[in-house]
Amino acid sequence: KAGVTQTPRYLIKTRGQQVTLSCSPISGHRSVSWYQQTPGQGLQFLFEYFSETQRNKGNFPGRFSGRQFSNSRSEMNVSTLELGDSALYLCASSLTAGETQYFGPGTRLLVL
Amino acid sequence: TQLLEQSPQFLSIQEGENLTVYCNSSSVFSSLQWYRQEPGEGPVLLVTVVTGGEVKKLKRLTFQFGDARKDSSLHITAAQPGDTGLYLCAGEAGGTSYGKLTFGQGTILTVHP
Repeated sequence: KAGVTQTPRYLIKTRGQQVTLSCSPISGHRSVSWYQQTPGQGLQFLFEYFSETQRNKGNFPGRFSGRQFSNSRSEMNVSTLELGDSALYLCASSLTAGETQYFGPGTRLLVL
Repeated sequence: TQLLEQSPQFLSIQEGENLTVYCNSSSVFSSLQWYRQEPGEGPVLLVTVVTGGEVKKLKRLTFQFGDARKDSSLHITAAQPGDTGLYLCAGEAGGTSYGKLTFGQGTILTVHP
């Protein structure tokens, strides 16, 4: 069974731009969670989607948004990029909330 | 706000030594996972513990979940250079905390040949 896939793997943007990251969960998994990982803050929860609905949201500004499609694939969007948004963005999928989460390889975003 | 305090933050040891990494919280978690992460990659699941007092073994790695489900430990016996990496503990609170894992700050382990 294929694992969680994320595209693109690397991305360079400039301040003020927006970016969309994509995540395909493990087949059959319906819950998708997103995390931001930085050296200073570690891994921080962004939001979780299940059946196309956002059920939980972390403490991030409204510039961070996401959505989930009927096939459970998910995207996250960051608008008006700031230098501090440079990070590894990780997606994780699970059968449902409360089940073990399996992570993708991440998208490395660099904001210049 | 739930927090997980992971210690030590850095660990540098010689091949063959034993080590223990701790993960502590004042909050109760419904489950706790341990992950290992290589640079530039996503965390890879090592184990999930869900029952207070549970002990799980994975070859030379032993994981324990505290009786009160507030703490956990990872013990590695006879460490090898291939064990080098970032180890992360992550807890799920359950209830309405849908899909949210709270992570410890991580332990960077370096095993020297």
